[in-house]
Amino acid sequence: NAGVTQTPKFRVLKTGQSMTLLCAQDMNHEYMYWYRQDPGMGLRLIHYSVGEGTTAKGEVPDGYNVSRLKKQNFLLGLESAAPSQTSVYFCASTWGHPKGQETQYFGPGTRLLVL
Amino acid sequence: GQQVMQIPQYQHVQEGEDFTTYCNSSTTLSNIQWYKQRPGGHPVFLIQLVKSGEVKKQKRLTFQFGEAKKNSSLHITATQTTDVGTYFCAGRSNSGYALNFGKGTSLLVTP
Repeated sequence: NAGVTQTPKFRVLKTGQSMTLLCAQDMNHEYMYWYRQDPGMGLRLIHYSVGEGTTAKGEVPDGYNVSRLKKQNFLLGLESAAPSQTSVYFCASTWGHPKGQETQYFGPGTRLLVL
Repeated sequence: GQQVMQIPQYQHVQEGEDFTTYCNSSTTLSNIQWYKQRPGGHPVFLIQLVKSGEVKKQKRLTFQFGEAKKNSSLHITATQTTDVGTYFCAGRSNSGYALNFGKGTSLLVTP
């Protein structure tokens, strides 16, 4: 099993450009999450999904959109990138708490620089 | 909303010294998890605590969950250079779907 994979690993954008970050998991997990990590700020939840076709806002959703069309994929979109979105983005997945298996498995991260 | 506070933000120890990081929540937690992130890496799950007053050990690491299920601690005995990294606690309330992460404690261990 590959676990959780993220593409791309690194990207440089100009202000105003758009891009999509892809997260894929092969563990048949129900729940998936997108976090951003900035120095001194820990992990902040952007959006999450509790199942295929569902999405919900997290702590810092502004400027991002997500889609979960397939259970194994969770896409994070930036429609018009801003320098404040320079960060490391982590995707994570878990079975989901109703099943008692809450361990979050993280992907390797995507480093995004917005100029 | 629920907030998870973690202290200290940084800790620098000599190899062999002990280390403790503390986690406090503004609300009662359903469970608490601990993760470790090595420099340049991604968070990796260490343990989950569910019961009030629970104590779990993993070799030199001891994890505690408070009686009121609002606080937790991670204690490392006799640190080694391999313990270097950032340790995060993450808690979930009874009604939430998502974990709330603390800001982490960065541990530096010098030989």
